[in-house]
Amino acid sequence: NAGVMQNPRHLVRRRGQEARLRCSPMKGHSHVYWYRQLPEEGLKFMVYLQKENIIDESGMPKERFSAEFPKEGPSILRIQQVVRGDSAAYFCASFLTLPELDETMFYTFGSGTRLTVV
Amino acid sequence: AQKVTQAQTEISVVEKEDVTLDCVYETRDTTYYLFWYKQPPSGELVFLIRRNSFDEQNEISGRYSWNFQKSTSSFNFTITASQVVDSAVYFCALSEYNNNDMRFGAGTRLTVKP
Repeated sequence: NAGVMQNPRHLVRRRGQEARLRCSPMKGHSHVYWYRQLPEEGLKFMVYLQKENIIDESGMPKERFSAEFPKEGPSILRIQQVVRGDSAAYFCASFLTLPELDETMFYTFGSGTRLTVV
Repeated sequence: AQKVTQAQTEISVVEKEDVTLDCVYETRDTTYYLFWYKQPPSGELVFLIRRNSFDEQNEISGRYSWNFQKSTSSFNFTITASQVVDSAVYFCALSEYNNNDMRFGAGTRLTVKP
């Protein structure tokens, strides 16, 4: 039972290029979160997706950033025309809601993608 | 709005010392979840514990223990007899039942010296 898989682990892009980050949730999980961790900072929420649906994108920058979670395949976080300030670690988390239990959410994080913009 | 404060930016201890990492949270919800994660130098996030707001029992797991106090909105984490391998950044996080995002504190960097 593989955990949350993120790839690539490291990504280097020149300013102005596009970055595509992939996240495959745990088997059976249909909810995905993306978080960004700037150097020496905590994690900041970006977006929450279900399959084929963006539920909450209140943490996403208004321009250049987009996310999707198609019916088949991984969730993709896409950053267009990257700038140096986009350099960060991007983490994906998936969770499973289990309404019959007291604790209804269990988050599992991937190992992250470290984006460096040069 | 939910908020998590980890006032200690960095802590340095010598091996075998006990150390407590503080976490204070704010929320208007009566149902919420509190978490601690460890981020070692390799960068991944390691889940340590999840607590729901209705369970104020303290928890012990080996050298780790957690003290949840609703009266002071705190969820502190103690490592007993610290080891060099405990060196990492530790994050406290809060998730409200009716909210979509897990809110993280800024983290506490713990260095355990031999």
